Amino acid sequence: EVQLVESGGGLVQPGGSLRLACEVSGFNFSNYEMNWVRQAPGKGLEWISYISSSGFTIYYGDSVKGRFTISRDNAKNSLFLQMSSLRAEDTAVYFCARDLPYVLAFDMWGQGTMVTVSS
Amino acid sequence: QSALTQSASVSGSPGQSITISCTGTTSDVESYNFVSWYQLHPGKTPKLMIYEDSNRPSGVSDRFSGSKSGNTASLTISGLQAEDEADYYCCSYAETNFRVFGGGTKLTVL
Repeated sequence: EVQLVESGGGLVQPGGSLRLACEVSGFNFSNYEMNWVRQAPGKGLEWISYISSSGFTIYYGDSVKGRFTISRDNAKNSLFLQMSSLRAEDTAVYFCARDLPYVLAFDMWGQGTMVTVSS
Repeated sequence: QSALTQSASVSGSPGQSITISCTGTTSDVESYNFVSWYQLHPGKTPKLMIYEDSNRPSGVSDRFSGSKSGNTASLTISGLQAEDEADYYCCSYAETNFRVFGGGTKLTVL
């Protein structure tokens, strides 16, 4: 069974940092491109970052560029999101999402982890 | 980054058909066949319903279909059922920002 399990969310002060992790199982992680997507309370889905299967190609959405860093450890079947200079508007549920190969669609999602940025 | 444009809400009665539209630009929806659609029930994980504009993943009911004309993609749900009530989001590859979502459409089954 394919599983994606996020962790690392919590309450953090504005300007602070947090590292999210997504541990996967049930598929060959090193063959898949991965993403982070978030949903702020009462708002829609927002794509925030992509990483290729090798980790060599990375993209960020404008709202997090320069503050967030995506990475992966294929040996540990894990995806990460290092978040710094956090703002109130970063408050959201953060999902890791797998890309269906070649079609740029998110075919599997984790259950999400909540990040709250507040003083 | 500018989101794709979706109507905020749509409604229909059981058995009817509804269509949700998703309008983009020449830099995303119109120029690439990478529109996907997601169903989101409150508190649940998003579910892929359509990819590459009109392809349906295995396991998704054939009551769901996707299409595209110019810069507007559409998701049609036929034979509406109570369990179809959810939020629906479109997403597209975008030249300037790689991926962009629509603002979401709330479907109410009357």
